[in-house]
Amino acid sequence: GAVVSQHPSWVICKSGTSVKIECRSLDFQATTMFWYRQFPKQSLMLMATSNEGSKATYEQGVEKDKFLINHASLTLSTLTVTSAHPEDSSFYICSARGGAIIMAGEQFFGPGTRLTVL
Amino acid sequence: AQSVTQLGSHVSVSEGALVLLRCNYSSSVPPYLFWYVQYPNQGLQLLLKYTTGATLVKGINGFEAEFKKSETSFHLTKPSAHMSDAAEYFCAVSLSGGYQKVTFGIGTKLQVIP
Repeated sequence: GAVVSQHPSWVICKSGTSVKIECRSLDFQATTMFWYRQFPKQSLMLMATSNEGSKATYEQGVEKDKFLINHASLTLSTLTVTSAHPEDSSFYICSARGGAIIMAGEQFFGPGTRLTVL
Repeated sequence: AQSVTQLGSHVSVSEGALVLLRCNYSSSVPPYLFWYVQYPNQGLQLLLKYTTGATLVKGINGFEAEFKKSETSFHLTKPSAHMSDAAEYFCAVSLSGGYQKVTFGIGTKLQVIP
């Protein structure tokens, strides 16, 4: 099946620093990638949708200047949390969707990245 | 627009008992429906999905779900719970067409009692 990886799996950083999280589709071309944020004991909240080669579409309430998303290739998207603060601490999950008809409607999820901002 | 309602944020069952996790959806057009499982500190794994065709969908680990349009439901069942089934389960919906945003329910935490 389709595999999506995330790196790093966990990161601890100081307040004010920036953190980059990578999301890779390992065995398929991801025309669309999604970034979610999950607070403890809550559901996934979609932050943004990115299509390869174009600007990401952010959900209402998500600061695009704080959460920078780049989808430079069909297998890689990155999320950069700029000037991180403790309230940015969360579990960040990416997912990827391919363009093939057989994949229609299905997203493949990465294992998630646990961000802790001190 | 679409939405998902999962009834019961926590469900406890005895090992070997029937598992029933409820999901109702709202969609203006025929939906795609999904059930995902999440283990602690991990991403989501697809259990099963309904797109078109047969309304009873079988998934991995012995789970199945039935799409009932008249009831706008997509409940997840498993005849006999196993300890390894203890996890968080998310129902999700997207508009049909394959390239639409997916909306997740709040999740149901399944506890399996030995």
